[in-house]
Amino acid sequence: AQSVAQPEDQVNVAEGNPLTVKCTYSVSGNPYLFWYVQYPNRGLQFLLKYITGDNLVKGSYGFEAEFNKSQTSFHLKKPSALVSDSALYFCAVSPTQSSYKLIFGSGTRLLVRP
Amino acid sequence: EPEVTQTPSHQVTQMGQEVILRCVPISNHLYFYWYRQILGQKVEFLVSFYNNEISEKSEIFDDQFSVERPDGSNFTLKIRSTKLEDSAMYFCASSREPGGNTEAFFGQGTRLTVV
Repeated sequence: AQSVAQPEDQVNVAEGNPLTVKCTYSVSGNPYLFWYVQYPNRGLQFLLKYITGDNLVKGSYGFEAEFNKSQTSFHLKKPSALVSDSALYFCAVSPTQSSYKLIFGSGTRLLVRP
Repeated sequence: EPEVTQTPSHQVTQMGQEVILRCVPISNHLYFYWYRQILGQKVEFLVSFYNNEISEKSEIFDDQFSVERPDGSNFTLKIRSTKLEDSAMYFCASSREPGGNTEAFFGQGTRLTVV
């Protein structure tokens, strides 16, 4: 079955430190991978995507993600966390180019302390 | 910046009643979606809509659900006879291309509470 796993419910990091939010997927073929962020009372906002090409993808607000096919992972990273990065982060996969749906992970709450 | 807007932000309805959730997608987008998130659970795909017809739907999207684009700007989700388990946050989304090619833009959600 197609699925996305975010093993950590919450990640705590101090401001200025690097952060990693983990995501692994189980999809046959070559998936299309996304990260979204949700701030309180807001919709899901697109951060970045991987379709093909470089395994390191750069996105909005200084975030980047590394695609690792052998480990079926797509971890979200940022070199230096900000308090304003505190939010709920969702990893998602579109199983194929022609698929209309996104399969979401359960979300990881990032808490950046001052 | 263009955005997807949803109304109402919160709807309370009695079990068995019909409810319509409304969405205004981004104007030049062609693909429209509904997702839902039951409290504490994952965001789940319900349905996608393109060229005035359903292009893909999940097993959640049964006969109680329907979608419509009644005019050039609105996209609605109707639940005919609500059940307690329909209580969730419902997200509308739109995109220029199908899900794999480009990112979807999401609305802020409608929280549906069935009592």
